[in-house]
Amino acid sequence: GDSVTQMEGPVTLSEEAFLTINCTYTATGYPSLFWYVQYPGEGLQLLLKATKADDKGSNKGFEATYRKETTSFHLEKGSVQVSDSAVYFCALKTQGGSEKLVFGKGTKLTVNP
Amino acid sequence: EAGVTQFPSHSVIEKGQTVTLRCDPISGHDNLYWYRRVMGKEIKFLLHFVKESKQDESGMPNNRFLAERTGGTYSTLKVQPAELEDSGVYFCASSQDLRSGEQFFGPGTRLTVL
Repeated sequence: GDSVTQMEGPVTLSEEAFLTINCTYTATGYPSLFWYVQYPGEGLQLLLKATKADDKGSNKGFEATYRKETTSFHLEKGSVQVSDSAVYFCALKTQGGSEKLVFGKGTKLTVNP
Repeated sequence: EAGVTQFPSHSVIEKGQTVTLRCDPISGHDNLYWYRRVMGKEIKFLLHFVKESKQDESGMPNNRFLAERTGGTYSTLKVQPAELEDSGVYFCASSQDLRSGEQFFGPGTRLTVL
């Protein structure tokens, strides 16, 4: 079945450091890919998405590129801030199939000043 | 515009008891989803409503779980009787447009079964 594997944390960085959170997927067909973020005490929020190969999703300084050849969707940010501390979830939705999202386990990021 | 709301935010019950979780989706959203995250594991899909109809309930773990969405507005998820392994965070999400793929999530209900 469809699955998402993302690097497990926790990840601790200093402010202004470079961030990469790896995400790879297994899916039939060509899924849409998402990164969701959960800030403390809040629900999941869509951070960015990409719907086809080579698409780059971006938002709030975060970027991820849909790589079909490596089945990956790694999340990157050039300079993290304390306010980026949260749990990040990679997810996929199979095209033309069920509307359910398939999630990775989540990566907790802590950014220290 | 109000987001997805869930009630209660926390629930602690004993094994064998019954608990009912409620989700109010964003107004006008026909699609409503339930997900669950057990400690340390992935967020797993439970089921999907389109209005009041169950579109996909393939993720419901067993018949101790009953989801309803009468009138196509809010939804309830009842666990009866609760077991220890039901502990986790239950998320509700809603969406208006299936093609866009964006689901808007509530803050979750943390359920602890003792």
